[in-house]
Amino acid sequence: KNEVEQSPQNLTAQEGEFITINCSYSVGISALHWLQQHPGGGIVSLFMLSSGKKKHGRLIATINIQEKHSSLHITASHPRDSAVYICAGDYGGSQGNLIFGKGTKLSVKP
Amino acid sequence: DGGITQSPKYLFRKEGQNVTLSCEQNLNHDAMYWYRQDPGQGLRLIYYSQIVNDFQKGDIAEGYSVSREKKESFPLTVTSAQKNPTAFYLCASSTRRYGYTFGSGTRLTVV
Repeated sequence: KNEVEQSPQNLTAQEGEFITINCSYSVGISALHWLQQHPGGGIVSLFMLSSGKKKHGRLIATINIQEKHSSLHITASHPRDSAVYICAGDYGGSQGNLIFGKGTKLSVKP
Repeated sequence: DGGITQSPKYLFRKEGQNVTLSCEQNLNHDAMYWYRQDPGQGLRLIYYSQIVNDFQKGDIAEGYSVSREKKESFPLTVTSAQKNPTAFYLCASSTRRYGYTFGSGTRLTVV
């Protein structure tokens, strides 16, 4: 069964801290997505990666194919980073094969 | 700007009534999806469509119906057969090259 597990489930940080959110998946994927969901509910796609590392501003996403593991890092965290971060594995084949983790709720305190 | 528009943002309906959620995209994406989100659970796929006039059931299609008459539009109907319709519904579209774009969601409450 294809599964995606995230940790931690909840994370509270002080402004300025370095944050790491982890994602593990059970079998091979063609790509891994990191998404951000704000309290209003809308989702923004942050990264799509199949190997290595990607960086956008203060956000960095890495993936280790052999270990079936990905991490999302936030440097110099800010209260506006408070959101739910979701990883999703794309298991390829016909479209519609995204399997989502349950999300990590991040709260950054000023 | 290109994107996905879902309307309305909040929707209230009486039990036993059908309700249709709108999803429109101007990204020229072929594939479109409907997901359901419940507290403490990951997003689950209801229906998806890869091309106009074709759609496939996802993991939790029972009690839902869709149509894809135009590339831009993929409305979802929550029927009275859906036992627990209160949830947050997200629409998305995608291309293989650029990945997924998500809408802002519709929160449906059935009373």
